[in-house]
Amino acid sequence: GAVVSQHPSRVICKSGTSVKIECRSLDFQATTMFWYRQFPKQSLMLMATSNEGSKATYEQGVEKDKFLINHASLTLSTLTVTSAHPEDSSFYICSARALHTQETQYFGPGTRLLVL
Amino acid sequence: GDSVTQMEGPVTLSEEAFLTINCTYTATGYPSLFWYVQYPGEGLQLLLKATKADDKGSNKGFEATYRKETTSFHLEKGSVQVSDSAVYFCALSDQAAGNKLTFGGGTRVLVKP
Repeated sequence: GAVVSQHPSRVICKSGTSVKIECRSLDFQATTMFWYRQFPKQSLMLMATSNEGSKATYEQGVEKDKFLINHASLTLSTLTVTSAHPEDSSFYICSARALHTQETQYFGPGTRLLVL
Repeated sequence: GDSVTQMEGPVTLSEEAFLTINCTYTATGYPSLFWYVQYPGEGLQLLLKATKADDKGSNKGFEATYRKETTSFHLEKGSVQVSDSAVYFCALSDQAAGNKLTFGGGTRVLVKP
């Protein structure tokens, strides 16, 4: 149980285009989803917290207009990187937390984004 | 604020050796503690957790004990395998901070045959 999927697993795009990454909880309802960014050989940096049906809460220094987050249902959250640039190239990882496991987050496999 | 400090890697071991990865934390409340493992090119997998003092989390031969007196949650495994090569992250979740996860910097472990 507690499986989280991400799609796509890998994406290459041209500079200036927008990329959407999906995060799904497959066998549980995720009241809260988190989006992280991980640079090579570094730890995870929390970008934003997404609660179903409400606006996402962004961490300090993360541009809301650049990283659009939508959490329209209890099993799906999306992160859209708008007008992507090479410096946005990174590994993006989502996690999901169920209502009954308030302290445990289950992570997706990650999406590697390369912006040319 | 909350923070997690873990030993820097890389840690290189031979197969069947004993592994210890140190982790200490600071938190304003009474956190839950976690170890996550990340295999190359993949996301994080929950390895084990402990939610209160003196709890021991265990999984796949790994163990860690929540030590409130030393604010530590060291990860141990008695006999590592090549397949244990990965990056290990210590993390805490503090209800006082909305149950956000705070991660340590990660420790890369390489097990050689």
